[in-house]
Amino acid sequence: RKEVEQDPGPFNVPEGATVAFNCTYSNSASQSFFWYRQDCRKEPKLLMSVYSSGNEDGRFTAQLNRASQYISLLIRDSKLSDSATYLCVVTVEYGNKLVFGAGTILRVKS
Amino acid sequence: SQTIHQWPATLVQPVGSPLSLECTVEGTSNPNLYWYRQAAGRGLQLLFYSVGIGQISSEVPQNLSASRPQDRQFILSSKKLLLSDSGFYLCAWNGRQGMYFGPGTRLTVT
Repeated sequence: RKEVEQDPGPFNVPEGATVAFNCTYSNSASQSFFWYRQDCRKEPKLLMSVYSSGNEDGRFTAQLNRASQYISLLIRDSKLSDSATYLCVVTVEYGNKLVFGAGTILRVKS
Repeated sequence: SQTIHQWPATLVQPVGSPLSLECTVEGTSNPNLYWYRQAAGRGLQLLFYSVGIGQISSEVPQNLSASRPQDRQFILSSKKLLLSDSGFYLCAWNGRQGMYFGPGTRLTVT
């Protein structure tokens, strides 16, 4: 079983749609959780951290469910510029090691 | 603010040739540093990480090696490249808010 699993997609959605991604992780000792965004042929960039209480940043909402070991990302009112690959990330080994999921591709179309 | 530099941006090397990729970080001291590789259409694979000068943890047994000769310098090397070494090599450092990546080196082994 992979340490971090994501649906690869692609998710093809129209502008203005709401889309949600899920991610599951296998290591119950994971301490921190993040969502990254990666544009084609570019480095990944931190989108947001994920907290147990849930957190929101504009159109983006992240949730963590430790009991079920999954993380979610909700994007509201999708924009064309949201098209990218979204990577789920968990930390292990006291935060020294970050494990990345393979990513979920989002394509927002007009 | 912290900045991470990588060079070169692109590299084409023949099979069997040596490799040296350099990464430097500015604006922080004693960072945790990482080398990741991303093969075409695949997720990020952790290759090495370092929590201090001369301290290297290897995640994947292969023909690559890493060194950390100075606090903010991390080097990835190979004595003889294989075709399977082609990919996008990313250096990163682990800050309080998450992991931050350099612009990457796109390596093609021919």
